[in-house]
Amino acid sequence: GQNIDQPTEMTATEGAIVQINCTYQTSGFNGLFWYQQHAGEAPTFLSYNVLDGLEEKGRFSSFLSRSKGYSYLLLKELQMKDSASYLCAGMDSNYQLIWGAGTKLIIKP
Amino acid sequence: TAGITQAPTSQILAAGRSMTLRCTQDMRHNAMYWYRQDLGLGLRLIHYSNTAGTTGKGEVPDGYSVSRANTDDFPLTLASAVPSQTSVYFCASSGGGTSNEQFFGPGTRLTVL
Repeated sequence: GQNIDQPTEMTATEGAIVQINCTYQTSGFNGLFWYQQHAGEAPTFLSYNVLDGLEEKGRFSSFLSRSKGYSYLLLKELQMKDSASYLCAGMDSNYQLIWGAGTKLIIKP
Repeated sequence: TAGITQAPTSQILAAGRSMTLRCTQDMRHNAMYWYRQDLGLGLRLIHYSNTAGTTGKGEVPDGYSVSRANTDDFPLTLASAVPSQTSVYFCASSGGGTSNEQFFGPGTRLTVL
């Protein structure tokens, strides 16, 4: 079967670093996506990894290990506006996205 | 550029009634999707369309139908609504390319009583 696992909720402090982990099982693999979703809003694209390694984009970085079926999203210099849910999604062989339930990130001052 | 628009923003519907959720994109994307999002669950794909004139079933298609008469519009119809269809519905599109990322509309919050 296809499955995406990520923690339900995490708490971090403003200015700190947080890592959100995701493990995936998909039928075939065409990439791993991370989206950000603020409460009451639509998901917005953060990152895409299809090859092993780290992709850095400003304060956000995403890592992929295809052999381990594992990814993480790293957020640095946390700001209060980073309080949101972070959705991990794997793209299967049919180019459909399989979504995790999301990790709600709470930032405390 | 508007991107993707959805209408209505929210709706309360009596069980047994029919309703069409509208979705329009102006990015000339070939692929479009309908998802539902429920608390504690990931986004679940209802139906999709890879190009105008074609549609396919996703993970949870029962009780829903779609059409794709042109590139821009992808309406979702509930023929006879049931309370379990209470959810937030998101329309998305993707244009392919290197990452094939999906762009989402603002969502429709539907309550079926």
